[in-house]
Amino acid sequence: GAVVSQHPSWVICKSGTSVKIECRSLDFQATTMFWYRQFPKQSLMLMATSNEGSKATYEQGVEKDKFLINHASLTLSTLTVTSAHPEDSSFYICSAGQGETEAFFGQGTRLTVV
Amino acid sequence: GQNIDQPTEMTATEGAIVQINCTYQTSGFNGLFWYQQHAGEAPTFLSYNVLDGLEEKGRFSSFLSRSKGYSYLLLKELQMKDSASYLCAVKDSNYQLIWGAGTKLIIKP
Repeated sequence: GAVVSQHPSWVICKSGTSVKIECRSLDFQATTMFWYRQFPKQSLMLMATSNEGSKATYEQGVEKDKFLINHASLTLSTLTVTSAHPEDSSFYICSAGQGETEAFFGQGTRLTVV
Repeated sequence: GQNIDQPTEMTATEGAIVQINCTYQTSGFNGLFWYQQHAGEAPTFLSYNVLDGLEEKGRFSSFLSRSKGYSYLLLKELQMKDSASYLCAVKDSNYQLIWGAGTKLIIKP
């Protein structure tokens, strides 16, 4: 199946700093990628839909100025958590679709803000 | 609103069979997915159903009834490594994935 690579796998940062997470589709072109957040023992929560060459579409309640998404190429989308705070600590996962039959997920990024 | 229901937790015995149910109410339907997620890891794709009936893939099978808004994931010959959360998700009329909260499956020896 298709491969989606996400980096880094985990990151610890100080409160107030920014963190960038990369999501790459390795063997296919992804015009659309999705960013999810998952808190412990909860389901995936869609944060935003990243569209290549255009602005991301954010879900209700997600601050677009805090979670910056850039999808500059067909194989790379980035999520930047700006001015991170402890409540932003979570598991962030990206996914990309290939056709309509399934979504492929990156490995996820465990963010801890101290 | 859109809703996907699945049991929070299930327990089964190694070597046995377990069925995880999922019911959904969504605005439109463009396929139902089952994913497996081990703790601390991203979900991995298990199955996809868009037509009614049973899809079998090795030890795992998935069933769909669109008229009932119902699906189940059947796991046979359970192994300890099958202990994980199983997520049911539906693509709605906008092709957006709507996720269930997941079923935590505990396998006992």
